[in-house]
Amino acid sequence: DQQVKQNSPSLSVQEGRISILNCDYTNSMFDYFLWYKKYPAEGPTFLISISSIKDKNEDGRFTVFLNKSAKHLSLHIVPSQPGDSAVYFCAASGNDMRFGAGTRLTVKP
Amino acid sequence: DAGVIQSPRHEVTEMGQEVTLRCKPISGHDYLFWYRQTMMRGLELLIYFNNNVPIDDSGMPEDRFSAKMPNASFSTLKIQPSEPRDSAVYFCASSFAGDGLRQPQHFGDGTRLSIL
Repeated sequence: DQQVKQNSPSLSVQEGRISILNCDYTNSMFDYFLWYKKYPAEGPTFLISISSIKDKNEDGRFTVFLNKSAKHLSLHIVPSQPGDSAVYFCAASGNDMRFGAGTRLTVKP
Repeated sequence: DAGVIQSPRHEVTEMGQEVTLRCKPISGHDYLFWYRQTMMRGLELLIYFNNNVPIDDSGMPEDRFSAKMPNASFSTLKIQPSEPRDSAVYFCASSFAGDGLRQPQHFGDGTRLSIL
């Protein structure tokens, strides 16, 4: 069962532009959401999170938006840099936790 | 500080052999997770422990898979007998208890398993 979905397997953007990665979930019991970044041959590393009591959390170039009614969250990276090229995983947790399948972001110089 | 340590980094073995993957979590972390990453299914949670006790093993694909955590600093994931479809990258992660599962996890660099 795919309780957390990242429908875009890949995304390509130009350096300096905004990257928007999307994530949808189905389980209304999830109340805490995280984004992880993964480089090749390394494990995922935590990037940013948001609680369901908020609709936005910002950390430098990274902002996560949460739309609870739509069960949708997104990660915005602005401006995008070549070093941001990686696979991004969305995760949802509560009494359970699940990861999405990931979106491969490529930022072109 | 040392992060989560997994061994081996790579494992190539023949179908039918027993495979044991090892993980040392970050000292002081209460939760330990095992994941499998494949192209088709992304990052799948297999099992997780809280204070060395298995809490949820519903993601373990079948009885050929087993996991143990004999103490707070060591866990194993065993596949017996192994099959080619088990080929994947297996990650171990750990986290503080804090607010249960609502904590960022720290991942190891994974074990790339190839079953011939």
